Amino acid sequence: DAGVIQSPRHEVTEMGQEVTLRCKPISGHNSLFWYRQTMMRGLELLIYFNNNVPIDDSGMPEDRFSAKMPNASFSTLKIQPSEPRDSAVYFCASSLGWRQGTDTQYFGPGTRLTVL
Amino acid sequence: SQELEQSPQSLIVQEGKNLTINCTSSKTLYGLYWYKQKYGEGLIFLMMLQKGGEEKSHEKITAKLDEKKQQSSLHITASQPSHAGIYLCGARVGIIQGAQKLVFGQGTRLTINP
Repeated sequence: DAGVIQSPRHEVTEMGQEVTLRCKPISGHNSLFWYRQTMMRGLELLIYFNNNVPIDDSGMPEDRFSAKMPNASFSTLKIQPSEPRDSAVYFCASSLGWRQGTDTQYFGPGTRLTVL
Repeated sequence: SQELEQSPQSLIVQEGKNLTINCTSSKTLYGLYWYKQKYGEGLIFLMMLQKGGEEKSHEKITAKLDEKKQQSSLHITASQPSHAGIYLCGARVGIIQGAQKLVFGQGTRLTINP
């Protein structure tokens, strides 16, 4: 079975450019999460969706970050404009549901973003 | 906000030795998840614990949850090179729909020497 799919795996861009990260959750999963991992701050949640609806976006750093989930099989995380401090590994994860027993999150391979 | 502290931060053991990694929460645990990460890769789910006193095992890895102490431990028996990596514990912040996010510890880097 296919796991969580993320693209691209690596992205190098220049400061000020728009960056779009993509995620395809595991088929049948109803919850989708975006995390960011850095050496300084570790792994932190940015935003998550249940049934395509954003539930908690309190971790989104600022207005430069936006996330959408237009349907159950696709989500994007966009940074516009990008800054060097956005350099990190961005993970997408999905879970079957939100109730205990269905809420185990399965992670994708991540997108390593470098902003020059 | 909830915080998870892992100890030790790094661990070097000789192949074949046993080891334990601890994860302590600053608040009540509603679900504790253990993941393993190798450099440049995503997190691999290992085990999930929900109830106090619960213990789960998979191959040579055993995880326990002490709800009263708000603590979980991960024990590896007869370590192998394949066990090397970064181990992260994650905790759910609540049980309602709006509280399913996970907060993570800073990770424990495990090195196995042959």
